[in-house]
Amino acid sequence: GIQVEQSPPDLILQEGANSTLRCNFSDSVNNLQWFHQNPWGQLINLFYIPSGTKQNGRLSATTVATERYSLLYISSSQTTDSGVYFCAVTSNFGNEKLTFGTGTRLTIIP
Amino acid sequence: DAGVIQSPRHEVTEMGQEVTLRCKPISGHDYLFWYRQTMMRGLELLIYFNNNVPIDDSGMPEDRFSAKMPNASFSTLKIQPSEPRDSAVYFCASNDRSRRTIYFGEGSWLTVV
Repeated sequence: GIQVEQSPPDLILQEGANSTLRCNFSDSVNNLQWFHQNPWGQLINLFYIPSGTKQNGRLSATTVATERYSLLYISSSQTTDSGVYFCAVTSNFGNEKLTFGTGTRLTIIP
Repeated sequence: DAGVIQSPRHEVTEMGQEVTLRCKPISGHDYLFWYRQTMMRGLELLIYFNNNVPIDDSGMPEDRFSAKMPNASFSTLKIQPSEPRDSAVYFCASNDRSRRTIYFGEGSWLTVV
């Protein structure tokens, strides 16, 4: 099946810093989503972005499908941004099976 | 909309007991997914349904696990008999294929002792 790798696995930043999270995938995809899992375990959908660039407030994401990677940018980090960020993809081969990466754990220090 | 609703939120049970987890998807969504999250294996897809029909159950660990979707607004995941290694957070999620965005419930935290 499709492989999804995320980097870095852990990231510790001061409040106000910017960060870039990366997601690499092993095959063509027709669906790519970024999620934030907060410290209480809730999984929140951030972006549906199989290609191109989107922005939502301090967060933005870019997917370069031809090169099989996606980037999530967080600007002016806040402590509420802490948690684990997951990338999940569905391959082009027909079904809706969303495969998750192992995540990036982000900790924002006040 | 109320979002995806799961119950129970927390369950502690003894090994060998039957466990039933419940899920109500978002109204109008035609896909429903059951995921399991553990420290060792991360988020794994167990099974998903389209229009109440199971499409891919290749992630169901073994015969002790079963899932049903009797109608568009309800699904169950059963474990019988339960074992300590089944301890995990079980998430239900749903989406509308035309939009592709998937929404997760808050999860059912299962501990088997």
